[in-house]
Amino acid sequence: DIQMTQSPSSLSASVGDRVTIICRASQSISTYLNWYQQEPGKAPKLLIYAASSLQRGVPSRFTGSGSGTDFTLTISNLQPEDFATYYCQQTYSTPPETFGQGTKVEIK
Amino acid sequence: QVQLVQSGAEVKKPGALVKVSCKASGYRFTDYYIHWVRQAPGQGLEWMGVINPTGGSTTYAQKFQDRVTMTRDTSTSTVYMELSSLRSEDTAVYYCTRRGRSSSWYYFDYWGQGTKVTVSS
Repeated sequence: DIQMTQSPSSLSASVGDRVTIICRASQSISTYLNWYQQEPGKAPKLLIYAASSLQRGVPSRFTGSGSGTDFTLTISNLQPEDFATYYCQQTYSTPPETFGQGTKVEIK
Repeated sequence: QVQLVQSGAEVKKPGALVKVSCKASGYRFTDYYIHWVRQAPGQGLEWMGVINPTGGSTTYAQKFQDRVTMTRDTSTSTVYMELSSLRSEDTAVYYCTRRGRSSSWYYFDYWGQGTKVTVSS
């Protein structure tokens, strides 16, 4: 199974900041990488697929990049509604579908 | 609009069985696979398995292989996830999610609201 590791596990930031979350795969997954946002008590929401493609309706301050084993999710100009937990997911080699452990973005 | 609406919260005793439903609407039911993902309190996302609504074929995570059954009813556009021999560690929110696709890439584009299952004696 492909293991996904996110870093950091949590971070504190202020409104207007730029934050970067890293996701590493245990083997190359090309660009078969998705990012989800999960607010407390809610279902996950798709932000980015294919490593860098923005899902319809997602604000452009969210950008994804990377290929192979290393990927990043960057949130520019952090907004109050962006304080949530973010997960990466690989779809290169399934089953199983595997997710990172999550990165919680908290208010500083 | 696409919607996945799940059944309500359940409280079960250890050793019991739970069956959660997920009713799809707003799209052709047989065009998209449905996956189940669970989330224990304070934990991350854990994939459980997938069902192809067209023929009903399933693939389960090895961890749940002998305890989970996923079925579908095409007449009502509903998918079911049944988990047996429940233990306290199965206490979690269970989500159904649709597998969308763009070219060779796929992703979970719509999610149910989640069903909280509590296992307690």
